[in-house]
Amino acid sequence: GIQVEQSPPDLILQEGANSTLRCNFSDSVNNLQWFHQNPWGQLINLFYIPSGTKQNGRLSATTVATERYSLLYISSSQTTDSGVYFCAVEGQGGSEKLVFGKGTKLTVNP
Amino acid sequence: NAGVTQTPKFQVLKTGQSMTLQCAQDMNHEYMSWYRQDPGMGLRLIHYSVGAGITDQGEVPNGYNVSRSTTEDFPLRLLSAAPSQTSVYFCASSYLPLGAGNTIYFGEGSWLTVV
Repeated sequence: GIQVEQSPPDLILQEGANSTLRCNFSDSVNNLQWFHQNPWGQLINLFYIPSGTKQNGRLSATTVATERYSLLYISSSQTTDSGVYFCAVEGQGGSEKLVFGKGTKLTVNP
Repeated sequence: NAGVTQTPKFQVLKTGQSMTLQCAQDMNHEYMSWYRQDPGMGLRLIHYSVGAGITDQGEVPNGYNVSRSTTEDFPLRLLSAAPSQTSVYFCASSYLPLGAGNTIYFGEGSWLTVV
């Protein structure tokens, strides 16, 4: 099946710094989403981005489908950005199965 | 609008016991699924459903059963709990198809410990 690798596994920042999280996937995808899991375990959908670029406030994401990777950018990070960021993909063919990467744990210190 | 509701939030089981994790959504979503989250492993799909009466296996289905008798409910059954099933379980739901960019909503999680 499709493989998803995220890097780095851990990231520690000072408040105000910028960061880039990467997601590599092994095959063509029908669907790619980024999620944030806060320190209390709640999972929130950030972006649906199988290709192209999107921005939402301080967060933006870019997926280069032909090269099989996606990037999540966090600018001017805040302590509330802390948590785990997951990339999840659905292979082409509409399997309705989302495969998650292992995540990047982000810690933003004040 | 309650979203996706999971119960119980915490549970301790003895090896060999059975239990059911409940999941309900009030958004009329066709798609529902169960994931387990283990340290350093991300979320792994256990079972999913694309509508009432339709279920299918995910990556790690062994030891778990599901059924989907209504659109709203998607219970996950552990027939004979094992310590390897100690995990955090998340239920999720969405409109279909996932590939159309429909938002996926997650429940708050159920922390299960098998001793």
